[in-house]
Amino acid sequence: NAGVMQNPRHLVRRRGQEARLRCSPMKGHSHVYWYRQLPEEGLKFMVYLQKENIIDESGMPKERFSAEFPKEGPSILRIQQVVRGDSAAYFCASSLLIQKREVSTGELFFGEGSRLTVL
Amino acid sequence: QKEVEQDPGPLSVPEGAIVSLNCTYSNSAFQYFMWYRQYSRKGPELLMYTYSSGNKEDGRFTAQVDKSSKYISLFIRDSQPSDSATYLCAIQGAQKLVFGQGTRLTINP
Repeated sequence: NAGVMQNPRHLVRRRGQEARLRCSPMKGHSHVYWYRQLPEEGLKFMVYLQKENIIDESGMPKERFSAEFPKEGPSILRIQQVVRGDSAAYFCASSLLIQKREVSTGELFFGEGSRLTVL
Repeated sequence: QKEVEQDPGPLSVPEGAIVSLNCTYSNSAFQYFMWYRQYSRKGPELLMYTYSSGNKEDGRFTAQVDKSSKYISLFIRDSQPSDSATYLCAIQGAQKLVFGQGTRLTINP
């Protein structure tokens, strides 16, 4: 039973290029989250998606960043015209959402991350 | 004010010591509290998960929540070198987990 799969594990881009990060959730999970982690910092929420829907993108920069989770295939985090400040580890997590009382929750299972380096 | 505050450390203790890791949070609406462990160059993995105020124990690990003070703690008893990792508290917001900065812990043999 494969866990959350992310690729590539390492990606090097020059300033101005595009970066595409892919995430396949755990089998049966239909909720995907993207987080960014800068060196020596915690995980910063970027976006929460369900199949074909963006539920919460409050953590996504307004420009250059986009995310999708199509009906078929992996979730994609796309960064256009990368800058050095985009260098970070990008983690994807998936969950099976559980409704408990008035709160929707569920354990997040994380992938190993994609480490982007912008030269 | 950050939603979740966590002392980043680093924290270094001898093997066998009791470790205390702490976080504070600002939003009293938060209801679910979690601790994740992250080894170097790996993804975070869930360690403990609590809902209510009080203690929850799992082997050498105890998670404690004090909702009145908006304070959560993780205690590690009889710490082992294999416990060396970054520990992140996480709190369930409306539809997402909000993470603390993470505390880097080293257990010295």
